[in-house]
Amino acid sequence: QSVLTQPPSVSAAPGQKVTISCSGSNSNIGNFDVSWYQQLPGTAPKLLIYDNDKRPSGIPDRFSGSKSGTSATLGITGLQTGDEADYYCGTWDSSLGAAVFGGGTNLTVL
Amino acid sequence: QVQLQESGPGLVKPSETLSLTCTVSGGSIRNNYYWGWIRQSPGKGLEWIGFMYYTGSAYYKSSLKSRVTISVDTSKNQFSLRLNSVTAADTSVYYCARRSGGDYYYFDSWGRGALVTVSS
Repeated sequence: QSVLTQPPSVSAAPGQKVTISCSGSNSNIGNFDVSWYQQLPGTAPKLLIYDNDKRPSGIPDRFSGSKSGTSATLGITGLQTGDEADYYCGTWDSSLGAAVFGGGTNLTVL
Repeated sequence: QVQLQESGPGLVKPSETLSLTCTVSGGSIRNNYYWGWIRQSPGKGLEWIGFMYYTGSAYYKSSLKSRVTISVDTSKNQFSLRLNSVTAADTSVYYCARRSGGDYYYFDSWGRGALVTVSS
């Protein structure tokens, strides 16, 4: 059972937009910044979004992040088949004294 | 661009110690970062194990704390993971990763991962 809750899967057609939610509590998302990671099949996770809404260099602006209260959202526009991957949210939890991740969301581009 | 690479045995016997090393290239391990380990059981999500600052401050997941040690070797620009008394439940891909210093809790660089199987 993950501390952060994500939907197990989402799907959308190429060119469309999808959002992935990440729900937490005051001990984590409510008080700490959220990051998002993309894990393509058979590869290591890659930082996609940090500090809730910032993109590392090289990450296209099709990817966006937002946070409100104890929830965060990853948005992906102009979906491509190459976006098919698992997406994880992450942050710090002050009650646990631990870095925590969501259970992951598998994105299918139909 | 910093790069991280895990190395170590891919097979460990139950009750023995899992040892992995992460070699950092393209940047100094003495910079303002934490150096950590994250694992992923087959078909499962990400699980944080712990991280350490090069000066020695270490933070571990509470449920693993009694079995885990992370250490940093600044002379070799490497850091290591030791996990004692392993069981089949410790079978995972182990990733080394870099976390920014200060109050920033994201991991911006990852190794490719090392699969460690616990089996007799």
